[in-house]
Amino acid sequence: GAVVSQHPSRVICKSGTSVKIECRSLDFQATTMFWYRQFPKKSLMLMATSNEGSKATYEQGVEKDKFLINHASLTLSTLTVTSAHPEDSSFYICSAETRETETQYFGPGTRLLVL
Amino acid sequence: AQRVTQPEKLLSVFKGAPVELKCNYSYSGSPELFWYVQYSRQRLQLLLRHISRESIKGFTADLNKGETSFHLKKPFAQEEDSAMYYCALGCGTYKYIFGTGTRLKVLA
Repeated sequence: GAVVSQHPSRVICKSGTSVKIECRSLDFQATTMFWYRQFPKKSLMLMATSNEGSKATYEQGVEKDKFLINHASLTLSTLTVTSAHPEDSSFYICSAETRETETQYFGPGTRLLVL
Repeated sequence: AQRVTQPEKLLSVFKGAPVELKCNYSYSGSPELFWYVQYSRQRLQLLLRHISRESIKGFTADLNKGETSFHLKKPFAQEEDSAMYYCALGCGTYKYIFGTGTRLKVLA
């Protein structure tokens, strides 16, 4: 089956630093990748949609300069949280989709804790 | 280990027939269960969460801790219900696991 990995699985950083999270589709090519954020006790919030080779489409209220998304290849997308603050602490999860199936395959998520 | 299982990749039913999308989970703690739906070319959206115990678009889901299941049901399927359905498990403060999804096709 299709596998999506995320790295790191958890990260702790100091306020003001930047953190990069990688999302990889291991055995398929993902034409589209999604980045979600989950707040405790709440459902997922879509942050942005990225297509390979083009700029990401951000959801309303998501700061594109703070959450930089790069989709450099059909198997890799990165989310960089710039100048992280404690309120950015959350669980970030990505998913990858192939055009043929329109099925999203979810990564295991990354827990970010900003001190 | 935490796990979510959706055994059916594809489920086809006729319009007006009952629908049951299966979801089983494995988690030793107190789970939060969700159903998400994605209609063709649209974003993923939350359909149901077990703590709210509400019915959305005619769908209901009951958490059965004895059987560790959270099956999604609708008594009479409609064509517009055709979509991808994902079951998800919230386990702990920062942990969220998705099933592999079931594509529901409602035939005219």
